[in-house]
Amino acid sequence: GAVVSQHPSRVICKSGTSVKIECRSLDFQATTMFWYRQFPKQSLMLMATSNEGSKATYEQGVEKDKFLINHASLTLSTLTVTSAHPEDSSFYICSAFDSYFGSNTEAFFGQGTRLTVV
Amino acid sequence: ELKVEQNPLFLSMQEGKNYTIYCNYSTTSDRLYWYRQDPGKSLESLFVLLSNGAVKQEGRLMASLDTKARLSTLHITAAVHDLSATYFCAVDEINSGGSNYKLTFGKGTLLTVNP
Repeated sequence: GAVVSQHPSRVICKSGTSVKIECRSLDFQATTMFWYRQFPKQSLMLMATSNEGSKATYEQGVEKDKFLINHASLTLSTLTVTSAHPEDSSFYICSAFDSYFGSNTEAFFGQGTRLTVV
Repeated sequence: ELKVEQNPLFLSMQEGKNYTIYCNYSTTSDRLYWYRQDPGKSLESLFVLLSNGAVKQEGRLMASLDTKARLSTLHITAAVHDLSATYFCAVDEINSGGSNYKLTFGKGTLLTVNP
């Protein structure tokens, strides 16, 4: 199947600093990528939809000025957590759909990034 | 708002037993996905169900989709310890242009298979 690569897999940062997470589609082009956040023992919650060449679409309750998303190319989306606080500590996962057989598609997920803010 | 309800949320079973996880959803959709997540890891795709009546099997797991009932099942046959993980179903909302809009996930089922 298609591969989505996410980097870094783990990061520890100090409160008030910013952290950038990269999500790459390695063998396919993705005009749309999705960013999820997962707290311990909970499900995945969609944060935003990243659109290549245009602004991201944020879910209700997600601060767009805090979680900056850039989708500058068809294979790369980045999520920057600005002025991170301990409550931002979470597991962040990106995904992208790979199209096959016309409109049938499957979502592939990056390895996830464990962010710890101290 | 699309709701995806998964049950049970916790499942403890013995090796060799059979069980079914259920996934109900609240909107018309014919795209449903099952994923497995091991602790500290990302999601691993198990099944992609793209039409009413779809049934797929891989090893001891079998998934089915009934779009009229808005129900998918993940059946576990003769469970083994290696199947211990959290299983998520997710439903795909399609936008008016026919493209993938977003996935909405169930809360997950934590499966523990005991020897």
